[in-house]
Amino acid sequence: DQQVKQNSPSLSVQEGRISILNCDYTNSMFDYFLWYKKYPAEGPTFLISISSIKDKNEDGRFTVFLNKSAKHLSLHIVPSQPGDSAVYFCAASADNNDMRFGAGTRLTVKP
Amino acid sequence: NAGVTQTPKFQVLKTGQSMTLQCAQDMNHEYMSWYRQDPGMGLRLIHYSVGAGITDQGEVPNGYNVSRSTTEDFPLRLLSAAPSQTSVYFCASRKDRGRRKLFFGSGTQLSVL
Repeated sequence: DQQVKQNSPSLSVQEGRISILNCDYTNSMFDYFLWYKKYPAEGPTFLISISSIKDKNEDGRFTVFLNKSAKHLSLHIVPSQPGDSAVYFCAASADNNDMRFGAGTRLTVKP
Repeated sequence: NAGVTQTPKFQVLKTGQSMTLQCAQDMNHEYMSWYRQDPGMGLRLIHYSVGAGITDQGEVPNGYNVSRSTTEDFPLRLLSAAPSQTSVYFCASRKDRGRRKLFFGSGTQLSVL
């Protein structure tokens, strides 16, 4: 069963605009959420995270929002840049040993 | 400081062959894990280890074997390769139970014919 879902396989935005990537989860025991970014032929790299005790975490152009009641989180990138074009994975963990990932969203930022 | 190193980068196997994917980290991380990435499936956890001598199964462990004899190394063994094991494999590590940020290797592209 896929406990972490990214329902949009791809997203295309114009440079300078906002990119919003969405993620839904089903396991109410998840208490820590992360976003990873992946370029072709490379491993995923950590982008930003949020604990379930918060509803927002910001790091420069990247902000993650968590809505626990809806079991939904989103990643906002403002402003979007061509170098942000990559696959973004949402991840969640309920304990310290098992991290579940979504299927990924391919973001394309057009100049 | 190389981080997480995976070898080989590419491998082609015939059905029934066995092989070992190597993973090493130089960050003194306690926790190491193996994931496979398939189209539309995201990253799925195969096996993980919380320290030398300790391993456990993840979401999709069948057909794979692991051991953790040292803190640095966490090899993944395919016992009898099957076409369903064609995938990209990633090794990842993190410091300990309290810190959940994973560091990934660059991956091994495996094709089983």
